[in-house]
Amino acid sequence: QVQLVESGGGVVQPGGSLRLSCAASGFTFSSYGMHWVRQAPGKGLEWVAFIRYDGSNKYYADSVKGRFTISRDNSKNTLYLQMNSLRAEDTAVYYCAKGSIGYCSSTSCYVFDYWGQGTLVTVSS
Amino acid sequence: DIQMTQSPSSLSASVGDRVTITCQASQDISNYLNWYQQKPGKAPKLLIYDASNLETGVPSRFSGSGSGTDFTFTISSLQPEDIATYYCQQYDNLPPAFGQGTKLEIK
Repeated sequence: QVQLVESGGGVVQPGGSLRLSCAASGFTFSSYGMHWVRQAPGKGLEWVAFIRYDGSNKYYADSVKGRFTISRDNSKNTLYLQMNSLRAEDTAVYYCAKGSIGYCSSTSCYVFDYWGQGTLVTVSS
Repeated sequence: DIQMTQSPSSLSASVGDRVTITCQASQDISNYLNWYQQKPGKAPKLLIYDASNLETGVPSRFSGSGSGTDFTFTISSLQPEDIATYYCQQYDNLPPAFGQGTKLEIK
């Protein structure tokens, strides 16, 4: 069965950096686009970033563009999110999510059919 | 960016009730609309994709309809395990956007 397990969350000071990981299993990781979606405490869902199945295309929410970098290692079945210049408003549970369509193109990539359990990032001094 | 507006924000209903949640897009999104269920402390779960298609394994009491700007999510007979927050999400245009959520409680 599909499993997505995030790690790397924690407490970091404003301006600091953190790298999240998402270990995938139960499906052909190299065939699917992957996403990061976050949820601030008590708030709704916010899409953060997408990476194409082969890593050739990446898209970001305006709120994180220039500060966050999504990447993947298909040989390790692992998705990453490098977060730099962190702000208090980045405090959230970060979920990795799998796109539902293999080798997707355009907006068909943006249906999230499996999610990890999430990892909490707290930005505070 | 496309804005998604759900109503109501919260809802209290009895077991066995028919429950309806609406989602309105700020512009035409065709049928590029999904519905997710999030139980407390858990990750979201995809229930409905492309406005009206039931994800595999999801009970048939859940359904969705609509196209263009107006969409509806329905639970035909509310069960205790349906207590959750429900989100709509558009993917016609980037960035993909979620509604603010509808918190469903048992009366």
